[in-house]
Amino acid sequence: ETGVTQSPTHLIKTRGQQVTLRCSSQSGHNTVSWYQQALGQGPQFIFQYYREEENGRGNFPPRFSGLQFPNYSSELNVNALELDDSALYLCASSLTSGRAGEQYFGPGTRLTVT
Amino acid sequence: AQRVTQPEKLLSVFKGAPVELKCNYSYSGSPELFWYVQYSRQRLQLLLRHISRESIKGFTADLNKGETSFHLKKPFAQEEDSAMYYCALPRKRGYQKVTFGIGTKLQVIP
Repeated sequence: ETGVTQSPTHLIKTRGQQVTLRCSSQSGHNTVSWYQQALGQGPQFIFQYYREEENGRGNFPPRFSGLQFPNYSSELNVNALELDDSALYLCASSLTSGRAGEQYFGPGTRLTVT
Repeated sequence: AQRVTQPEKLLSVFKGAPVELKCNYSYSGSPELFWYVQYSRQRLQLLLRHISRESIKGFTADLNKGETSFHLKKPFAQEEDSAMYYCALPRKRGYQKVTFGIGTKLQVIP
C-alpha cells in the first residue's frame, strides 16, 4: 500500500507569482482534500476533489484552485501569491465511502512567499 | 457553524503522570469526533475516533454531549507521547470537510 506523497517538499516564491503543488493519493483512495496550516495553527480546509470535480470548499478565495486527475492525483494552484499564503500545505486522501474524518495525510509542502 | 476549541497550546507533564488534553466542540446535531497526532518529523495521522470507543497507545477519549467535550486522556504519560495533538470534527453529510482545533503540544518530561 502506497501512502500519500506530495511534491515539492519546500518552495520559495515571490509575492504575485503563481504556484502549483502536487499530491498523489494513497492507493485505492478516490477523494483528495487540501488543507493550509499556518504556523501555530491547525489545518484549515481549502477544498476537496472527487471524480475530478471540486465538491466542497472552505473559506478561501478563488485564486486557490485545483485539479484532480483520473488516477486520483491532484494539484493545488495558487495565483497572485500573497505573503499570508506562506504555510504548510497538506494533502489528504480518503475513500468517499469511508467514514468521514478518516483521512490520510501527506508530509506537506512548505511554501514561503517573500 | 462547526468549531473545535483546544484551550491549551502547550501541556507539560512528568513521565508517569496522568494526561488530559482538552477539546470542546460546537456542532448542531450528533457529532463524530477524532483525535489526530503528529510526532516530530512525521506526518499527521489518525490516533482514535470516538465512535469506536477504542484505546490506542493507552489513550482514550469520551464524548460528553452535555459538556460538548471530547477530552483525550492517558493514565500514565510516556516520553514517546510527546507530540502535537489535534482534535478534529468532520462533516457527517456531503463532502468530507474536517475542522481541526489549533492543536496542543504535549511535552512529557523525563
